Amino acid sequence: GAVVSQHPSRVICKSGTSVKIECRSLDFQATTMFWYRQFPKQSLMLMATSNEGSKATYEQGVEKDKFLINHASLTLSTLTVTSAHPEDSSFYICSSRPGATEAFFGQGTRLTVV
Amino acid sequence: QKEVEQDPGPLSVPEGAIVSLNCTYSNSAFQYFMWYRQYSRKGPELLMYTYSSGNKEDGRFTAQVDKSSKYISLFIRDSQPSDSATYLCAMSEDYKLSFGAGTTVTVRA
Repeated sequence: GAVVSQHPSRVICKSGTSVKIECRSLDFQATTMFWYRQFPKQSLMLMATSNEGSKATYEQGVEKDKFLINHASLTLSTLTVTSAHPEDSSFYICSSRPGATEAFFGQGTRLTVV
Repeated sequence: QKEVEQDPGPLSVPEGAIVSLNCTYSNSAFQYFMWYRQYSRKGPELLMYTYSSGNKEDGRFTAQVDKSSKYISLFIRDSQPSDSATYLCAMSEDYKLSFGAGTTVTVRA
């Protein structure tokens, strides 16, 4: 299957700082990248959809100024959590669908804001 | 009502047993169906993908889709302790996936 590489796998940051999460498609061109958030023992919640070269589409209730998404190339999408607070601590996962069929996920990033 | 319903479990079975996982859905436009396995603190890993009603088999895994009943299943034969994980069903009509809540499975040695 297609490979989506996500970094970092784990990050701890101080409250008020910003954190950038990278997601790369290694063997295909990711025109679209999906960003999810997952709380413990819960399913994935779609936060936003990023399209290469255009603005991301955010789901209802997701603050676009807090979760900045950039998709500048066909192989890289980034999610920046700005002015992070403890309530932003969560597991963030990116995903892409090479052929609009099955989706492949990154390894996930566990963010802890202290 | 959620678009996709999945029993969160937990489900505990002895090694070698058959694990049966199910999801129901309400959107008749869904046409792509997937099952993912997720280990703790890892991204979901694709197990099975299908886009039509019927059965699909891959090794110890069998996926079933019944579009008329809006019901999908995943069976794991000869379960192993390494199968202990959370299993997520996912489905879509276009590019956006809808997920079940995930079922946590423990296979006891």
